[in-house]
Amino acid sequence: AQTVTQSQPEMSVQEAETVTLSCTYDTSESNYYLFWYKQPPSRQMILVIRQEAYKQQNATENRFSVNFQKAAKSFSLKISDSQLGDTAMYFCAFMKHNNNDMRFGAGTRLTVKP
Amino acid sequence: SAVISQKPSRDICQRGTSLTIQCQVDSQVTMMFWYRQQPGQSLTLIATANQGSEATYESGFVIDKFPISRPNLTFSTLTVSNMSPEDSSIYLCSVESGRRNTEAFFGQGTRLTVV
Repeated sequence: AQTVTQSQPEMSVQEAETVTLSCTYDTSESNYYLFWYKQPPSRQMILVIRQEAYKQQNATENRFSVNFQKAAKSFSLKISDSQLGDTAMYFCAFMKHNNNDMRFGAGTRLTVKP
Repeated sequence: SAVISQKPSRDICQRGTSLTIQCQVDSQVTMMFWYRQQPGQSLTLIATANQGSEATYESGFVIDKFPISRPNLTFSTLTVSNMSPEDSSIYLCSVESGRRNTEAFFGQGTRLTVV
């Protein structure tokens, strides 16, 4: 079974600074997908970034980037130039290739301070 | 992308009653997923719903407690039956779309409080 671990229940960062959220996972699969989702107080789950395991290049989306270390089974999210609107719960998620079952980590509550 | 409309957005229910949550998608999708998010917790998959067949339930969830309907490719319902305070959670509907169905889209969730 796949497990996703987020070891940081809460984090805070000053506005305009950079913060990194950690995620590790456990799987015997070689092909899979990894995701970071953001859940603001509105409860809406919003996809932040996605990484395909067969791609060595780290995914980036504007201020969001990942550090994907396949051998270490690590998938951290870096948020640059943090904004107040980035305040939310962040969930790391894993999905096997050809299997739409998504597994989520426990989440990290990020607070961006003015 | 897919736009998902989920309702009700919130409800307060008496114990012993049932609540049906609706999920409408703006495009046809093969699989729809129902998640539970207990207070302060992560998302846990309840079941996967395919059109025209019975839903597939995850360990710890049973059809009698969480019956699911999937009458067509754009709609699904989840019923929380014989509710108790322990059922107080956010329930989320999800579909997968995008390239090779590798992006999950979520409804805005239903916040259920059982009193």
